[in-house]
Amino acid sequence: DVKVTQSSRYLVKRTGEKVFLECVQDMDHENMFWYRQDPGLGLRLIYFSYDVKMKEKGDIPEGYSVSREKKERFSLILESASTNQTSMYLCASSLSGSPLHFGNGTRLTVT
Amino acid sequence: KNEVEQSPQNLTAQEGEFITINCSYSVGISALHWLQQHPGGGIVSLFMLSSGKKKHGRLIATINIQEKHSSLHITASHPRDSAVYICAVRRGNKLVFGAGTILRVKS
Repeated sequence: DVKVTQSSRYLVKRTGEKVFLECVQDMDHENMFWYRQDPGLGLRLIYFSYDVKMKEKGDIPEGYSVSREKKERFSLILESASTNQTSMYLCASSLSGSPLHFGNGTRLTVT
Repeated sequence: KNEVEQSPQNLTAQEGEFITINCSYSVGISALHWLQQHPGGGIVSLFMLSSGKKKHGRLIATINIQEKHSSLHITASHPRDSAVYICAVRRGNKLVFGAGTILRVKS
């Protein structure tokens, strides 16, 4: 079974802090994704990566950056957290053309 | 107008009822996904389909490419089916998601 592990379930940070959200998958998937989920808006793609050291902007990349130094790990970075980045963050991975496998999510609160 | 529209937004059913959730999309796609999200956040992929019909246990998913429409059916619904059901369409290497349908099945 594919396992996608997000490092934290709940996180509380202060405005202006640098925040790292980590995601690790154990099935050698080339594609990895970061989404945020907000009520009424559904899942929105922040960034994705289809190979090590490759990254592509999604629909809402502003205020975020990503890092993929190893195939199994995809990190989401909030350079200077703001209150409008309070959200549920979901990581996913997949092989090309195959279903996504999601992590359990990180609920981030920025105060 | 969103590229992916789901209906209804909220659905309450009695245990045992037959349930249908609908998804319409406005763009060309290569595949459509149905996902399930339980309280607590975890999302599970239920189906990925590009034509016809798929069945898994009490769940059935259909897609009509010409009409740009898909349905998810749950037969003999049970309280453990209570969850958010999300439709997503694949365009290139990205998924576009609907806002989800919140299903509550009462015993």
